[in-house]
Amino acid sequence: AQKVTQAQTEISVVEKEDVTLDCVYETRDTTYYLFWYKQPPSGELVFLIRRNSFDEQNEISGRYSWNFQKSTSSFNFTITASQVVDSAVYFCALSESNTDKLIFGTGTRLQVFP
Amino acid sequence: EPEVTQTPSHQVTQMGQEVILRCVPISNHLYFYWYRQILGQKVEFLVSFYNNEISEKSEIFDDQFSVERPDGSNFTLKIRSTKLEDSAMYFCASSELYPPGGGQPQHFGDGTRLSIL
Repeated sequence: AQKVTQAQTEISVVEKEDVTLDCVYETRDTTYYLFWYKQPPSGELVFLIRRNSFDEQNEISGRYSWNFQKSTSSFNFTITASQVVDSAVYFCALSESNTDKLIFGTGTRLQVFP
Repeated sequence: EPEVTQTPSHQVTQMGQEVILRCVPISNHLYFYWYRQILGQKVEFLVSFYNNEISEKSEIFDDQFSVERPDGSNFTLKIRSTKLEDSAMYFCASSELYPPGGGQPQHFGDGTRLSIL
C-alpha cells in the first residue's frame, strides 16, 4: 500500500536557523515519484520539487535542499537560514508509475519567528 | 508564469443544493485533476481526467460528483446534492502529458473554499 508519513506536525524556529522536514514513504512500486509542495497561509499549493526513484542525487536550490535515501525510504527537505516567508505547511507526496494521483502526507506546519 | 485559475474563491451553499466549481487549467496541459482538503487535514485525490474522460477516481468520488470539460479551456467539478461533509477546500490541478510512467508535476490552483450550511 502507498503511504506518506510526515511525523512532525509542527515545527517552530527562529529566523536564520536551519530546519529539516522529514518525509517517509511506503510503496511496492520500483518506479515512483516524490514531491514537495508548500502551502502558505493564503492557501494555494506551490510545487517545489519532483524526484524519481532512480535519481538519488541530492538537490539544492538556493536555501532549499532535498535528501533522497531509498535505503530508508526517506525524502527529507532542509531549509537553510530560514526566513519568516518560509512559514507555511509543507506537504510531501508520492505518485506511483501506474497512476497520476498524488498521495499526500499530513503536512508539517513550519513557523519561523523573527 | 502560466497558472491554474479557479472560481469562485469561496462558495457558500445550502445542503442539498447543486454546486459547480470551475477551473481553467494551464493551456498546454492535458491532464486535469480535482483534490480536496478538509480543514486542517491532508490533501486527498478525487479524480483525474484525460482525453475527455475520467482516467482514475477515488472512493470519495461517488455518484454525487461529476466532472466535465465543457469547452477547450474550462474544467468543472459538479456536486449534485451537497452534504455538510462536502465542506472543504477544492483544488484543481493540471499537468503536461508525459511518456508512460507518469510523475509529472501537478500545478495547483488557489482552491475554492466550499462551505455547506
